[in-house]
Amino acid sequence: EAGVAQSPRYKIIEKRQSVAFWCNPISGHATLYWYQQILGQGPKLLIQFQNNGVVDDSQLPKDRFSAERLKGVDSTLKIQPAKLEDSAVYLCASSLVSGTSGRGGNEQFFGPGTRLTVL
Amino acid sequence: SQQGEEDPQALSIQEGENATMNCSYKTSINNLQWYRQNSGRGLVHLILIRSNEREKHSGRLRVTLDTSKKSSSLLITASRAADTASYFCATAYGGATNKLIFGTGTLLAVQP
Repeated sequence: EAGVAQSPRYKIIEKRQSVAFWCNPISGHATLYWYQQILGQGPKLLIQFQNNGVVDDSQLPKDRFSAERLKGVDSTLKIQPAKLEDSAVYLCASSLVSGTSGRGGNEQFFGPGTRLTVL
Repeated sequence: SQQGEEDPQALSIQEGENATMNCSYKTSINNLQWYRQNSGRGLVHLILIRSNEREKHSGRLRVTLDTSKKSSSLLITASRAADTASYFCATAYGGATNKLIFGTGTLLAVQP
């Protein structure tokens, strides 16, 4: 079974520039997540999609971050303009279901991440 | 913050020894999950324990959950050098969204 795919793996930009990350979840997974992981910390959820609808974006800095999941499959996360504090690894994850009624709960499968450095 | 906290922050043991990590959290949960992260394989789900369960096993892993104390522990028995990684607990909150909140992690180093 193919895992969660992300690209690019690394990105270096200067502050105030824009950047976009792409994610393709595991086939059949309805729920897709974007996390930000700053060095030395655990991942922090930015946005959660169920199919092509947003179910939680409470921690997404909406003045500069945006995300979409057209057609309920792959997704893009954009930062515009980037700040120095956006330097982090951006992780995409997917799961079969988000609710507790699903078989196996909602264990998430993570992609390799994109390491963003903002200079 | 709803983030869980792991204890200890770092742990160094010899191969063959057991490793125990603890996680505390703040509010009621649907389930609690443990994940491992290393440079080779990224972030990988290890085990999930539901709020109505007290103990769960998977291979060399044993997880306990005490909802009255809002705490969980992960025991890795007969550790191997390949177990060297950061371990995170993640608590699932909410109804339909089942949002995951990750802890700060325990860095485990297993010396050969």
